[in-house]
Amino acid sequence: NFMLTQPHSVSESPGKTVTISCTRSSGSIARNYVQWYQQRPGSAPTIVIYEDNERPSGVPDRFSGSIDKSANSASLTISGLKTEDEADYYCQSYDTSNFYVFGTGTKVTVL
Amino acid sequence: QVQLVQSGAEVKKPGASVKVSCKAAGNSLSSSYIHWVRQAPGQGLEWMGIINPSGDFTGYAQSFQGRVTMTRDTSTSTVSMKLSSLSSDDTAIYYCAKEGQNHFDSWGQGTLVTVSS
Repeated sequence: NFMLTQPHSVSESPGKTVTISCTRSSGSIARNYVQWYQQRPGSAPTIVIYEDNERPSGVPDRFSGSIDKSANSASLTISGLKTEDEADYYCQSYDTSNFYVFGTGTKVTVL
Repeated sequence: QVQLVQSGAEVKKPGASVKVSCKAAGNSLSSSYIHWVRQAPGQGLEWMGIINPSGDFTGYAQSFQGRVTMTRDTSTSTVSMKLSSLSSDDTAIYYCAKEGQNHFDSWGQGTLVTVSS
């Protein structure tokens, strides 16, 4: 079994950049794709990054994803922060024994 | 994008079962893997399980093994999730989600299940 651990919260001013980490507890982060979901209050999650760094159509290029094998973690970076980016963000990956696993979630606050 | 429509909110007593349904508006779900994810109040997302397009394969998270059953009716393009032996810990919003290319590309609106005596 593995877990995906995220910081509880991050905050930054409009126009700045935030990076959210997602650290895998065991097994290589590169073994399976990492996805990122945005969840605004009262709404269902929506995909913002899939397959580590792919952006679905309609998602601004201010959102980007990456993998750091040395840290065994994935990251979501939001540049040019906007008030509309204020939401909870969850990473998600997969394991043949665990099936699908979500990260602990990060609340992004735009000051 | 496929719009998934879920059944309405439920209130159940401890020990009871609940069945939540998920249907595609417009397009059929017949070729899609469907997942169920839940979210307790103020908590994170928890993956519950998956059902394949034909309904003959299901996979459940270990924490729900023996209590959850996922089924699908291909004639009505409806997928259902039944959770039994409910406790207050099962109070949550339950989402169905369609699997796209290695991600959940469409989500239902969520169904609030409240377990209370």
